[in-house]
Order: sequence, then C-alpha cells, then structure tokens
Amino acid sequence: SAVISQKPSRDICQRGTSLTIQCQVDSQVTMMFWYRQQPGQSLTLIATANQGSEATYESGFVIDKFPISRPNLTFSTLTVSNMSPEDSSIYLCSVWRLAYNEQFFGPGTRLTVL
Amino acid sequence: GIQVEQSPPDLILQEGANSTLRCNFSDSVNNLQWFHQNPWGQLINLFYIPSGTKQNGRLSATTVATERYSLLYISSSQTTDSGVYFCAGTGANSKLTFGKGITLSVRP
Repeated sequence: SAVISQKPSRDICQRGTSLTIQCQVDSQVTMMFWYRQQPGQSLTLIATANQGSEATYESGFVIDKFPISRPNLTFSTLTVSNMSPEDSSIYLCSVWRLAYNEQFFGPGTRLTVL
Repeated sequence: GIQVEQSPPDLILQEGANSTLRCNFSDSVNNLQWFHQNPWGQLINLFYIPSGTKQNGRLSATTVATERYSLLYISSSQTTDSGVYFCAGTGANSKLTFGKGITLSVRP
C-alpha cells in the first residue's frame, strides 16, 4: 500500500488567516493529489501536484486561494489562504501507486474556520 | 468527466444482515475503486476492481464493465462496518472521480 502522513491532523483557525497542510509519502511518487471534502459531501479534486512544475488546478479552484508546493518526490504542501467559514472541510492528499494500480489517501486534515 | 452514481444513499442494517451497494458510471472507466471512510475520516481502500469479481473476507465486489456498474457486497454485517462507502472511477481524463457515497449504519 502507501504510507501517507499529513500535518496537522486538525486545526481551528480564524477567518482571514492561512493554514499550510503538509503531506509526506513513504516513497517517491510522480503525482500527488489534493482533495477537499466539505461536511457531509463527497471528495472533490483540488489540484494535481507534479514535482518540478506548477500544480494543475481543477475548475473552481485557483492558485491564489490554494497555493501548492512540491519540492521533491515525497513531499507536498497545500495552503488554504484568506480562510472563511466555507473553507471548513477535510483536506486529503493522495498518491497513485503504480505497483498496486490504486490510489491511496492520507488521513486527512480536518479544518474548522471560525 | 465521468459521472458516478451510488445507491442507495443511506442504508440501515441490523447486525448480521447482508447488503448490496451499487455504483453506476456514465462512461467507461479505466480504474474503479471502492473505499470505506471510517468515522474519523480515514479512507480505507477496499477493492481495486475495474472488472470481474474479488473477495476479501466478508466483503466482495463485482464490476460489469460493459454495463458500467459495480456492486459491493457486505455479508454478516458488523457495527464496525458503519461509515460511508465510496466508489470512484478514472475516465479518459485520468482523474479519480467519486460518487456521493452511501452512508451505512449497522445497529447492534
């Protein structure tokens, strides 16, 4: 499978502030994905992060609001900027493991914005 | 991209009962996975099953790719089976798209 860790596991933030979420994978991967799960909803892809290039964002998500870094093949960060209560969600990073032909997910970061 | 529909949206079972969860796709998928999201939010991989049938303990899954649907069977359900079950597929855009999930509650 894949060992994926995320920090922080949860946080409570004030509106207008920013939070950076870290994702660490136990081995090198080409693509890392960031998803958002709003309360009671399904998972929605925010962006795909490739090492050495800018992230590719899905419709409805923009780099100014969700900047992503991918400094190496095992690590990525997602920042949620200028937060509002509508950003309260679980944010999950994910990787595709070719050996298993499956996508695996980290434990998620539960964010509450007051 | 593809559309993923899951049914039923909610399911309540008595412990020991069996259930079938369904997933329909709007188009052909290259990859099809079933996940269980536990109450803490962790997504657990259950099956990678683009076609055919697989079994893992009390769980099994069948995908009929030509008819664009997949079924997840849970036998002798336990309270620990409670949570949300998602199916997800990858279409031509190579991005994993999730259904809305099925919320399962197993009562003792």
